[in-house]
Amino acid sequence: AQSVAQPEDQVNVAEGNPLTVKCTYSVSGNPYLFWYVQYPNRGLQFLLKYITGDNLVKGSYGFEAEFNKSQTSFHLKKPSALVSDSALYFCAVREGGGSARQLTFGSGTQLTVLP
Amino acid sequence: EPEVTQTPSHQVTQMGQEVILRCVPISNHLYFYWYRQILGQKVEFLVSFYNNEISEKSEIFDDQFSVERPDGSNFTLKIRSTKLEDSAMYFCASRAFTPPETQYFGPGTRLLVL
Repeated sequence: AQSVAQPEDQVNVAEGNPLTVKCTYSVSGNPYLFWYVQYPNRGLQFLLKYITGDNLVKGSYGFEAEFNKSQTSFHLKKPSALVSDSALYFCAVREGGGSARQLTFGSGTQLTVLP
Repeated sequence: EPEVTQTPSHQVTQMGQEVILRCVPISNHLYFYWYRQILGQKVEFLVSFYNNEISEKSEIFDDQFSVERPDGSNFTLKIRSTKLEDSAMYFCASRAFTPPETQYFGPGTRLLVL
């Protein structure tokens, strides 16, 4: 079985400061990891993914995430937050190469960037 | 940039009624999915569809649910007899065969069962 934990329901950060949204995962094999963002009354927008290769992946809107196999984590980061980054962020995982192709999502973290 | 579209954006129905939620996946994609998100809860997988048949389904996807690709562009989710607990946001997603990893989501249909 695969699972994702996002330990923080809410993250507040001041504009211009760095932000981190935490995610840890559990899968039986190699993980494929994803971050999605959801703005109010909108669908899930793909931000970035880790499949293989460099542990630091860069995505849309200046976001990046670091895959840490020993800590089974995939934290989302941005060096300088914008008010427009305020949204609900979901981490998702699936087992790479396995038959279970569906994504398992975390419970989401509401990011609020304060002006 | 191509995107997944869904109709309607909102649907209100009476308990026991049938609803059909519609999705138009990205045109060259071959895998299709439905997920749902009950208000305030996490996004949950319902079903995946490939080559005109269900690939996987979750325990949520019981006999009241069905999916269909009636033509070359639409992908539908039917709930035969809606229950109050079916009220949720329903997301359609699609992905290409290669690279296979990224699922792209539609804007969702908010279903309210009264």
